[in-house]
Amino acid sequence: GQNIDQPTEMTATEGAIVQINCTYQTSGFNGLFWYQQHAGEAPTFLSYNVLDGLEEKGRFSSFLSRSKGYSYLLLKELQMKDSASYLCAPMDSNYQLIWGAGTKLIIKP
Amino acid sequence: GAVVSQHPSWVICKSGTSVKIECRSLDFQATTMFWYRQFPKQSLMLMATSNEGSKATYEQGVEKDKFLINHASLTLSTLTVTSAHPEDSSFYICSAIRGLADTDTQYFGPGTRLTVL
Repeated sequence: GQNIDQPTEMTATEGAIVQINCTYQTSGFNGLFWYQQHAGEAPTFLSYNVLDGLEEKGRFSSFLSRSKGYSYLLLKELQMKDSASYLCAPMDSNYQLIWGAGTKLIIKP
Repeated sequence: GAVVSQHPSWVICKSGTSVKIECRSLDFQATTMFWYRQFPKQSLMLMATSNEGSKATYEQGVEKDKFLINHASLTLSTLTVTSAHPEDSSFYICSAIRGLADTDTQYFGPGTRLTVL
């Protein structure tokens, strides 16, 4: 079967760094997406990895290891507005995104 | 940019009525659009995939006669919830793919919150 494993909830302090891990199992693989979803809102695109390694985009970086079925999202210089759910979504051989429940990130002052 | 809009943003209707939700890609032509449903504190659930000019592909367990999808143009897809019931109350979100040049990134609309009384 296909599944995503992310921590349900994480707490971090404003200004700090947090790493959200994601392991996945899919039928085939065509890249992995990270989305941010604030409560009551639709997801917004953060990053896409298809090759192994680290992709940096401002305060957010995403890492992928295809052999390990593993990715992480790294958020630096945390701000209160970063409080949201972060969704790891790999794309399977049919180019369909597989969604988990996401990680709820709580930022404290 | 890649802006996707949805209308209405929220709707309340009586049981048994039909509700139409529009999804538009504002600054690009969407080769493919997706419709999702999300219940509180649950993950996104793909309902159907829609390509312009062809019939939508529904996921297993989604009633195609209840959730009518029309993708009339490269910038507009509509989802009609027919004979809505309270259990259809949910957050409906569409997304669109800009094209092969954009690595199949899905850009989401703001969502439509449906409440069926």
